[in-house]
Amino acid sequence: DVKVTQSSRYLVKRTGEKVFLECVQDMDHENMFWYRQDPGLGLRLIYFSYDVKMKEKGDIPEGYSVSREKKERFSLILESASTNQTSMYLCASSFRDSPGDEQFFGPGTRLTVL
Amino acid sequence: AQSVTQLGSHVSVSEGALVLLRCNYSSSVPPYLFWYVQYPNQGLQLLLKYTTGATLVKGINGFEAEFKKSETSFHLTKPSAHMSDAAEYFCAVSPGYSSASKIIFGSGTRLSIRP
Repeated sequence: DVKVTQSSRYLVKRTGEKVFLECVQDMDHENMFWYRQDPGLGLRLIYFSYDVKMKEKGDIPEGYSVSREKKERFSLILESASTNQTSMYLCASSFRDSPGDEQFFGPGTRLTVL
Repeated sequence: AQSVTQLGSHVSVSEGALVLLRCNYSSSVPPYLFWYVQYPNQGLQLLLKYTTGATLVKGINGFEAEFKKSETSFHLTKPSAHMSDAAEYFCAVSPGYSSASKIIFGSGTRLSIRP
């Protein structure tokens, strides 16, 4: 079974702090994704990566950056956390860049910024 | 541009009753369609997907969905609801020519099951 793990289930940070969210997948997937999930808005894509050191902006990249130094690991970085970044963050991965491919999701990190 | 509309943010049915969750999509090209489920405090998992071929797609846990091109719909059904079906359900679309990175998710429908 594909396993996608996220470093924390719950995180509480203060405004202005730098925040790192880590995601690891164990199935040698090429694509990795970061979404945020908010009530009534579904999932919105922040960034994705289709290869090591490659990244592309999604629909809402402002205030976020990402890093992919190794194939299995994809990090989301909030350079200076703000209260409007309080949300559920979901990481996903998929095998290849093909439209019918399923995305496999981690359990999510619920981030609260005070 | 692709989009997905899920009708009803919250659906409540009795245990044993039919489950019907509605999804309409917009796509200028033949789409790939998905239903994902999210149980409380968990990530999303795939219920079923339509790529090509048979328009009635069967998924896990007794769910199925039918792709109706003329109605641009991909409604999810289950004949008899079980308490364990309580979760949030997301319909999603991916254009047939582009990458998996372009999956667009609907806003979700929360399914509650009454005893």
